[in-house]
Amino acid sequence: GENVEQHPSTLSVQEGDSAVIKCTYSDSASNYFPWYKQELGKRPQLIIDIRSNVGEKKDQRIAVTLNKTAKHFSLHITETQPEDSAVYFCAASKAGGSYIPTFGRGTSLIVHP
Amino acid sequence: DTEVTQTPKHLVMGMTNKKSLKCEQHMGHRAMYWYKQKAKKPPELMFVYSYEKLSINESVPSRFSPECPNSSLLNLHLHALQPEDSALYLCASSQVGALQETQYFGPGTRLLVL
Repeated sequence: GENVEQHPSTLSVQEGDSAVIKCTYSDSASNYFPWYKQELGKRPQLIIDIRSNVGEKKDQRIAVTLNKTAKHFSLHITETQPEDSAVYFCAASKAGGSYIPTFGRGTSLIVHP
Repeated sequence: DTEVTQTPKHLVMGMTNKKSLKCEQHMGHRAMYWYKQKAKKPPELMFVYSYEKLSINESVPSRFSPECPNSSLLNLHLHALQPEDSALYLCASSQVGALQETQYFGPGTRLLVL
């Protein structure tokens, strides 16, 4: 089955800095890669996703890059703000049928004012 | 409507109680899921329903019993739980077989078993 490794487990940055979270996956058939943000006591919320036919996707301060050859994808957050503090989970899955993502172990991002 | 709702938000139960968690979505999604999540850990898949039929049961103990009465509703019946079952229980839904497989999560039920 799929295995997703996520690093780092904790990331502490100053407000305004950039933050990068990296994930690797094992199943070359995986073709959908969402990122979820989970604030304390709240639900995981999709913040950005990327499909295997695209190398990069941006949405304001957030971007995701995908390297299919190396089987890794990364989340980039620029100009971090205290409200970006949360646990971030990457996931990988294959299209079609019931959608069963394999999650990474999560990264706790702390943005210091 | 792009929301999954869950009730109750919080639940405290004893080990001999029977209770049910409820989940509802009106996005026309035909796949629904139950996850268990411990603090700062990723969600762990418990059950998957596809077109109202149970398609995946991740070796979950029988004290958890899922039910899908119709395409919009998902229940999780709880009986004789253990303290280690205390966790956040998340419901999610998604399309089936479509390109847009985004999984939408409900707010969860925080369960405490005493």
